Amino acid sequence: EAQVTQNPRYLITVTGKKLTVTCSQNMNHEYMSWYRQDPGLGLRQIYYSMNVEVTDKGDVPEGYKVSRKEKRNFPLILESPSPNQTSLYFCASSLMGQRAFFGQGTRLTVV
Amino acid sequence: QQQVKQSPQSLIVQKGGISIINCAYENTAFDYFPWYQQFPGKGPALLIAIRPDVSEKKEGRFTISFNKSAKQFSLHIMDSQPGDSATYFCAARNQGGKLIFGQGTELSVKP
Repeated sequence: EAQVTQNPRYLITVTGKKLTVTCSQNMNHEYMSWYRQDPGLGLRQIYYSMNVEVTDKGDVPEGYKVSRKEKRNFPLILESPSPNQTSLYFCASSLMGQRAFFGQGTRLTVV
Repeated sequence: QQQVKQSPQSLIVQKGGISIINCAYENTAFDYFPWYQQFPGKGPALLIAIRPDVSEKKEGRFTISFNKSAKQFSLHIMDSQPGDSATYFCAARNQGGKLIFGQGTELSVKP
């Protein structure tokens, strides 16, 4: 089954404790991206990657890092999480110019 | 700055009625306008999409109307059903492949 898998689905952490949210896709897509969803703000792009070892900032990259060492994986790293990063996060993948497939989401709470 | 503005933020419709969600974009060459549907606890999923050389696209009860000169597009859901209750996002894709999302509309269809 074609899918984008994120882990964990839910995470509560404390300010400053490094965390990683994993994202994996099995569709051989070149394009992967991370979004955060906040009420009234829609989905905002954090980082994206057009292929292995190629990553770039989206609209709200501050406080986040990503890497793309393999085509299927695109982890999101929060080196020092803060409460304003409490949000619902989505990973998405697509072939260039084609429809985007989204993961199930990761609800992160930073206290 | 690339922006997509979506309204209304929330919408309540009676079963069998028509749901209408509007989006407007500004100042850029977008080449693809998708609508995504998101159920609680799930990631967004592509519902229907249109390219700017077409003024209308219909798939079952869902229709996109596109007005290129006004830079506006809308989603119409005919014969709305309680199962259509979800959050809807319009989006616009730029020529670099980036999706820019509207703020989202929470639709509730009452039986």
